Amino acid sequence: QSVLTQPRSVSGSPGQSVTISCTGTSNDVGYYNYVSWYQQHPGKAPKLMISDVTKRPSGVPDRFSGSKSGNTASLTISGLQGEDEAVYYCCSFAGDYTLGVFGGGTRLTVL
Amino acid sequence: EAQLVESGGGLVQPGGSLRLSCAASGFTLSSYWMGWVRQAPGKGLEWVANINKGGSERKYVDSVKGRFTISRDNAKNALYLQMNSLRAEDTAVYYCARDCDYYEVDYWGQGTLVTVSS
Repeated sequence: QSVLTQPRSVSGSPGQSVTISCTGTSNDVGYYNYVSWYQQHPGKAPKLMISDVTKRPSGVPDRFSGSKSGNTASLTISGLQGEDEAVYYCCSFAGDYTLGVFGGGTRLTVL
Repeated sequence: EAQLVESGGGLVQPGGSLRLSCAASGFTLSSYWMGWVRQAPGKGLEWVANINKGGSERKYVDSVKGRFTISRDNAKNALYLQMNSLRAEDTAVYYCARDCDYYEVDYWGQGTLVTVSS
């Protein structure tokens, strides 16, 4: 069982927006602003989409945005495109004495 | 551009050993924390181990403590994972990961599959 909780699946039609949640605790997501999001297509390595809760690395479309409220971080994808169909994982820093913690992953289906 | 290339995966019997290697290029390895993340078939991602820039500080997930050892050779631009006493539950794709701080991975290798089975 993953430390961070994500919905197993979400879906949306092209052009719509979807939000994926990532719920942790006051020891990880709620305390630190070091939440990252990854996109993984089948058979491929993950790709960093968001770091530090809200920062988009160079090359990531501005359709992807991150936010946080309390113990829950969120990834919002606006203007859905077919290429966005993938599994998305969140990860959070959880202190100096433990490794980072991942969510279980959310499968995004573009209808 | 930074590149990470893993090698050393394969089929091993329970109780056996494997050593994974990760060749880094396009950046100065000694400037980054590094780690290994694994993904069991059809499952999610899991941090296995990480190591600080100089190699003096290492962390492991509880399930591999005492069995796996992460190390690095900055002069050779290489990261390693020595895996001993392998179990069926260690079967996974192992990714080499560049940690750009606080477990945020900006570069991943292509992954190497480790299968533990008799």
